[in-house]
Amino acid sequence: AQKITQTQPGMFVQEKEAVTLDCTYDTSDPSYGLFWYKQPSSGEMIFLIYQGSYDQQNATEGRYSLNFQKARKSANLVISASQLGDSAMYFCAMREVPPSGGSNYKLTFGKGTLLTVNP
Amino acid sequence: GAVVSQHPSRVICKSGTSVKIECRSLDFQATTMFWYRQFPKQSLMLMATSNEGSKATYEQGVEKDKFLINHASLTLSTLTVTSAHPEDSSFYICSGARDRGPDTQYFGPGTRLTVL
Repeated sequence: AQKITQTQPGMFVQEKEAVTLDCTYDTSDPSYGLFWYKQPSSGEMIFLIYQGSYDQQNATEGRYSLNFQKARKSANLVISASQLGDSAMYFCAMREVPPSGGSNYKLTFGKGTLLTVNP
Repeated sequence: GAVVSQHPSRVICKSGTSVKIECRSLDFQATTMFWYRQFPKQSLMLMATSNEGSKATYEQGVEKDKFLINHASLTLSTLTVTSAHPEDSSFYICSGARDRGPDTQYFGPGTRLTVL
């Protein structure tokens, strides 16, 4: 089973409107972290926002907010007031506690959503 | 924020040659560095994890003799693709984290490798 599922291969939004990018995850660990990264056409992965599994409040960073619904295992990214520069691939990722004997925390990425902002 | 650089950004080589890609953390000490590859229109796949001063841990299916990883200092890791073949053509991205724990990974800009 996929650990991170992004069901929207592509999304379109009008400039200045808000858009929600979906992400669901699968883990049995009580402690985990959820990340969103933006990848423009240049290829660089840009960190946007982080949500810890024990965080009581939804994370926010400027125009980005994370709608964290723990019981539903979803961590949707909300971008408010979309800008043309927001057009990019967006990846949801999860970090889990390493298995017994392991020492490094690794990220598992979803397949991504290509967001296009129309003028 | 934490900045990671990669060099070169693009490389084209002939089949059978070896290519070295450098990953540097510019303003922090990266105890752990990760190497990913990304095929067109696909997600990032972790290749290996390296901790400074120790051998890299490779993901299942990744040939450690083909993808040599060295993490000699807290600011530099290198990936060498040995005897490259066209199927090794891909986008290679590194990331650094300050510790082995749950720190955010900061990514480099990536290296596009084309093997002719």
